[in-house]
Amino acid sequence: QQQVKQSPQSLIVQKGGISIINCAYENTAFDYFPWYQQFPGKGPALLIAIRPDVSEKKEGRFTISFNKSAKQFSLHIMDSQPGDSATYFCAASNRGANNLFFGTGTRLTVIP
Amino acid sequence: EPEVTQTPSHQVTQMGQEVILRCVPISNHLYFYWYRQILGQKVEFLVSFYNNEISEKSEIFDDQFSVERPDGSNFTLKIRSTKLEDSAMYFCASRQSGLDYGYTFGSGTRLTVV
Repeated sequence: QQQVKQSPQSLIVQKGGISIINCAYENTAFDYFPWYQQFPGKGPALLIAIRPDVSEKKEGRFTISFNKSAKQFSLHIMDSQPGDSATYFCAASNRGANNLFFGTGTRLTVIP
Repeated sequence: EPEVTQTPSHQVTQMGQEVILRCVPISNHLYFYWYRQILGQKVEFLVSFYNNEISEKSEIFDDQFSVERPDGSNFTLKIRSTKLEDSAMYFCASRQSGLDYGYTFGSGTRLTVV
């Protein structure tokens, strides 16, 4: 059972453009939704996270939009830069499970 | 900035051999985890550890796997008899207690079973 579905699998964006990655979840008990950034050969690094009591969270060029009724959340990267080229994973968790369920990842390539 | 440290970075082992992957979590973190990532696939939960015992484990974490916190700083994952399909990147993670769900992942150990 795939708890978190992520799309697209890969994404190519021009420098300065907006990158959008989408995720959907099934378990309504999830109450924590982080996004992780992973560079080749490195572990996932927390980028930004949101809880379901807000619909949007912004940190610098990164914004999470959250739609509780649709059970969907997305990551927007504004003014995308070549240094943003990495694999991005959405994830979800709830306090009872005490572990993260990851999406399948999106490989983002930002072209100069 | 505090880091989760994993050793070795790469381990090659023969099928059937035992391997031990080592991790040093962040010192004031109380929850410890092992995740794995088969090449090109998603990160999968293996096991969580709190208060010196396993708090949760996935279907992947069968009898071939075990975890231990032998002292106040190290956290280990042992695979007793490795299979080819155990080849993956293994990530250790830790987090503080309370409402902060901020996991910190290590850089991983690439395990290759031949």
